[in-house]
Amino acid sequence: LAKTTQPISMDSYEGQEVNITCSHNNIATNDYITWYQQFPSQGPRFIIQGYKTKVTNEVASLFIPADRKSSTLSLPRVSLSDTAVYYCLVVASKIIFGSGTRLSIRP
Amino acid sequence: DAMVIQNPRYQVTQFGKPVTLSCSQTLNHNVMYWYQQKSSQAPKLLFHYYDKDFNNEADTPDNFQSRRPNTSFCFLDIRSPGLGDAAMYLCATSRDTRQGSYEQYFGPGTRLTVT
Repeated sequence: LAKTTQPISMDSYEGQEVNITCSHNNIATNDYITWYQQFPSQGPRFIIQGYKTKVTNEVASLFIPADRKSSTLSLPRVSLSDTAVYYCLVVASKIIFGSGTRLSIRP
Repeated sequence: DAMVIQNPRYQVTQFGKPVTLSCSQTLNHNVMYWYQQKSSQAPKLLFHYYDKDFNNEADTPDNFQSRRPNTSFCFLDIRSPGLGDAAMYLCATSRDTRQGSYEQYFGPGTRLTVT
């Protein structure tokens, strides 16, 4: 069964770039790796997904190495409103949310 | 504008008294999911529907049941809630997952309290 590992928490400052890594082994070969953001008392919100190499959208980038055993979410120039919990989601015979990384942004 | 709607947002039930949570979607997505999220934990998938096909997770207790009468609606029934079932219950939808994409749209959740 796949196991995912994320840092429990991270701190950064406004305007900095933040990188959050999720380690995941034994994931399905054909499924995307997806990242979500969750604010307190709200449902998770889709940020980005990718299969391999690098994907970029208007809010984030996602880096996935060739072996797909990890993925790194990159948030450029964070602001206070990026304070939230970030989850990776992988598929390995079942849908698995990572344990989540609580990101705190300071002024 | 709401795309995934959950009612009620807050639900209080008594120990052992059946409760039903509802979810509706305006996205016309094939797949609907129910997750349980306890405080400071990640969402945990209970089951999902691919169209009318029901997929139960192996570790989902029998106490949890679900119905999907049509594309737009899905219900979570907890037959005999215990204190340990107090949690946020999240409904989500996604398009066809056969291409490997799991871009899910979540509702705001229903917070269940068991007294």
